[in-house]
Amino acid sequence: DSGVTQTPKHLITATGQRVTLRCSPRSGDLSVYWYQQSLDQGLQFLIQYYNGEERAKGNILERFSAQQFPDLHSELNLSSLELGDSALYFCASTPSLSGTGELFFGEGSRLTVL
Amino acid sequence: AQSVTQPDIHITVSEGASLELRCNYSYGATPYLFWYVQSPGQGLQLLLKYFSGDTLVQGIKGFEAEFKRSQSSFNLRKPSVHWSDAAEYFCAVGAGDMRFGAGTRLTVKP
Repeated sequence: DSGVTQTPKHLITATGQRVTLRCSPRSGDLSVYWYQQSLDQGLQFLIQYYNGEERAKGNILERFSAQQFPDLHSELNLSSLELGDSALYFCASTPSLSGTGELFFGEGSRLTVL
Repeated sequence: AQSVTQPDIHITVSEGASLELRCNYSYGATPYLFWYVQSPGQGLQLLLKYFSGDTLVQGIKGFEAEFKRSQSSFNLRKPSVHWSDAAEYFCAVGAGDMRFGAGTRLTVKP
């Protein structure tokens, strides 16, 4: 158990819909990362938050957005969903801003878009 | 831009045999390098990491990796593979927006 909690574990929805994925980082970790894992794209970095502020952005689509709340949990919002958004979405946390230490990963939220 | 290449998509080894998983990276400065393992239905778990110092690093579960700057490589090794090592292995580089390789799936034959 990494200490990172993601909900829901599984989600099935239809194209055009909007979903929210939630992540609770390890106790005390200020940095939260979101990754998307799909068969064709592999593990892609989406976005990083540190203590409530966006710090780094990767291959995140404009239809996707994220935020980190004062209690440090984070949400990834996916809208106007397309079939290609079906993937495993991971959240990871780490104490520091630089991320030079270990990333602690949650077990992921599997999104299926029908 | 930083990137990672894992040339082998799938490797099969016999239980008890040695293992080497290849990783090549591209990074503008001194790299922070990592190997993670992902078991089916699980998140990623850190095996080992390299920041500086001794180029041979030891990790958990009997794994080790060697950083070779001249070859831009960070290959993962294990002297004797166990059936429980069957999983997907990811090499990663960077800090912050860590970039992962495509992964190598390891199958262990009895």
